[in-house]
Amino acid sequence: KNEVEQSPQNLTAQEGEFITINCSYSVGISALHWLQQHPGGGIVSLFMLSSGKKKHGRLIATINIQEKHSSLHITASHPRDSAVYICAVFPPNTGNQFYFGTGTSLTVIP
Amino acid sequence: DVKVTQSSRYLVKRTGEKVFLECVQDMDHENMFWYRQDPGLGLRLIYFSYDVKMKEKGDIPEGYSVSREKKERFSLILESASTNQTSMYLCASSEQGYSNQPQHFGDGTRLSIL
Repeated sequence: KNEVEQSPQNLTAQEGEFITINCSYSVGISALHWLQQHPGGGIVSLFMLSSGKKKHGRLIATINIQEKHSSLHITASHPRDSAVYICAVFPPNTGNQFYFGTGTSLTVIP
Repeated sequence: DVKVTQSSRYLVKRTGEKVFLECVQDMDHENMFWYRQDPGLGLRLIYFSYDVKMKEKGDIPEGYSVSREKKERFSLILESASTNQTSMYLCASSEQGYSNQPQHFGDGTRLSIL
């Protein structure tokens, strides 16, 4: 049983393309977290959101709580965006534990 | 900026050895976590700690133990390493509370058990 499903698993895009990564979850949550993992392993936080939309530079994250779905968009993609993007959901009353998706591996070709 | 430091980026050990993975955070966070990450399985929680000397099992604690003697340090111990524990291990920390605190990750330790 996987509480968090991401799609696609792998994605290859040309530089400049608009990219969408999807995350669906099956549990009630109080927040959703988008993470980025570059080759080499380190994970950084991109967004944490519980409603609506957030934007940071070329990255936009949206969430629909009723539909239990979130999307991460990258506008004007660049080779440095190549990474694994991980969705994690934060159910309430779990002691700050997350459920993680298996990640979407993005490669942006120059 | 929060800094979570894992003691080794790469580690090679032999079957049956006792292995220690160390993690230190510099932001006085109450919560600390150990995950392993395997292809196709994503991040899975091994143990977490919400205070000094406190620990809770995660989803896959078998074959592992942890130690938290000081707030800033959380150690993962493989009591008798086995080849199926070859994996990427990630440590994370976060502030206490149920107010949607993000987790801050270390760079990971890629452990190979031969």
